[in-house]
Amino acid sequence: DAKTTQPPSMDCAEGRAANLPCNHSTISGNEYVYWYRQIHSQGPQYIIHGLKNNETNEMASLIITEDRKSSTLILPHATLRDTAVYYCIVRVPFVLQGGSEKLVFGKGTKLTVNP
Amino acid sequence: EAGVTQFPSHSVIEKGQTVTLRCDPISGHDNLYWYRRVMGKEIKFLLHFVKESKQDESGMPNNRFLAERTGGTYSTLKVQPAELEDSGVYFCASSQGGGYTFGSGTRLTVV
Repeated sequence: DAKTTQPPSMDCAEGRAANLPCNHSTISGNEYVYWYRQIHSQGPQYIIHGLKNNETNEMASLIITEDRKSSTLILPHATLRDTAVYYCIVRVPFVLQGGSEKLVFGKGTKLTVNP
Repeated sequence: EAGVTQFPSHSVIEKGQTVTLRCDPISGHDNLYWYRRVMGKEIKFLLHFVKESKQDESGMPNNRFLAERTGGTYSTLKVQPAELEDSGVYFCASSQGGGYTFGSGTRLTVV
């Protein structure tokens, strides 16, 4: 089962920031938070990941709380093309003893960006 | 760099027939994964190859599914015989120490 909880849907106005929350209260010390999205029927697309520090790349920013029990993905200026299902996943990023390489997807958040 | 390529993009077969899906990972990626989404469900892990070896096949639903990766390059996923509940989208992904790159998937419809 997925170790994360996300709201099923959110709306955002085009050009505004989209803030997508994720709860992962049982996250382990060596687990990273990953975000992926799936646009329509395409394959999931990697967005960003982090351990405990905030991260930013050309697509988004990731804010992780100090206790690491929750995080927020921020799309600073949402466009219509950002309409997608966003998945928050916790995992060990590489094979450690007992770690798993697989991604466990939950239901995600359906983000709709409106004109 | 070419991405992960899957074919066919769509396949419609009758119940009881055999279908083989193919995945070409990004060149040089040792890790190859199969996932699927059946109607109304979440995306589920099927199995993970490291080069030609099966690292984790805990997600394979039953023995009607057979995955191979001969030579550690492309992989095939055969469903034999196909059942109605096998309908869905089958995704392949590859990685090399970093984030996954997924293919566009194969939509399988069993009628």
